Amino acid sequence: EAQVTQNPRYLITVTGKKLTVTCSQNMNHEYMSWYRQDPGLGLRQIYYSMNVEVTDKGDVPEGYKVSRKEKRNFPLILESPSPNQTSLYFCASSGAPDRLAFFGQGTRLTVV
Amino acid sequence: TQLLEQSPQFLSIQEGENLTVYCNSSSVFSSLQWYRQEPGEGPVLLVTVVTGGEVKKLKRLTFQFGDARKDSSLHITAAQPGDTGLYLCAGRIYNQGGKLIFGQGTELSVKP
Repeated sequence: EAQVTQNPRYLITVTGKKLTVTCSQNMNHEYMSWYRQDPGLGLRQIYYSMNVEVTDKGDVPEGYKVSRKEKRNFPLILESPSPNQTSLYFCASSGAPDRLAFFGQGTRLTVV
Repeated sequence: TQLLEQSPQFLSIQEGENLTVYCNSSSVFSSLQWYRQEPGEGPVLLVTVVTGGEVKKLKRLTFQFGDARKDSSLHITAAQPGDTGLYLCAGRIYNQGGKLIFGQGTELSVKP
């Protein structure tokens, strides 16, 4: 089954404790991206990757890192999480940015 | 910061009514997508429009891309309670690779 898998689904952590949210896709897609969703703000793109070893900033990259060492995985790293990073996060993949058809189930992160 | 202004933010109508959601920007988009999102799930791609002036229909939903590729609209005819959800537009910025920006979303509630 074609899917994008994010883990964990829910995470409560403390300020400053490094964390990684994993994202994996099984469709051999070149394009992957991360978003955060906050009430009244829609989705905001954090980072995207056009292919392996190619990543670029989206609209709100501050406080986040990503890597794309292999095609299927695109982890989101928060080196020192802060409360303003409390949000719902989505990973997505597609063959091209214009056809963003596959989203993960979402990760609800709370930073206290 | 590029913006994609979506309106209205909230819409509550009776079954059978028509409605239109708008997305406007000062930026030119190489393509624009519309999504529908249910609570607790990731967005689901409805349509992608790529040509200025393009009109696409999906059953009772009609999508239009502005001639200048700076705006788009979603029109729903004879809305049904099953149309209830969050509708999001997203644009791929012309000449900015894989960067996508989303509108703030329209919460649609269709009452029987």
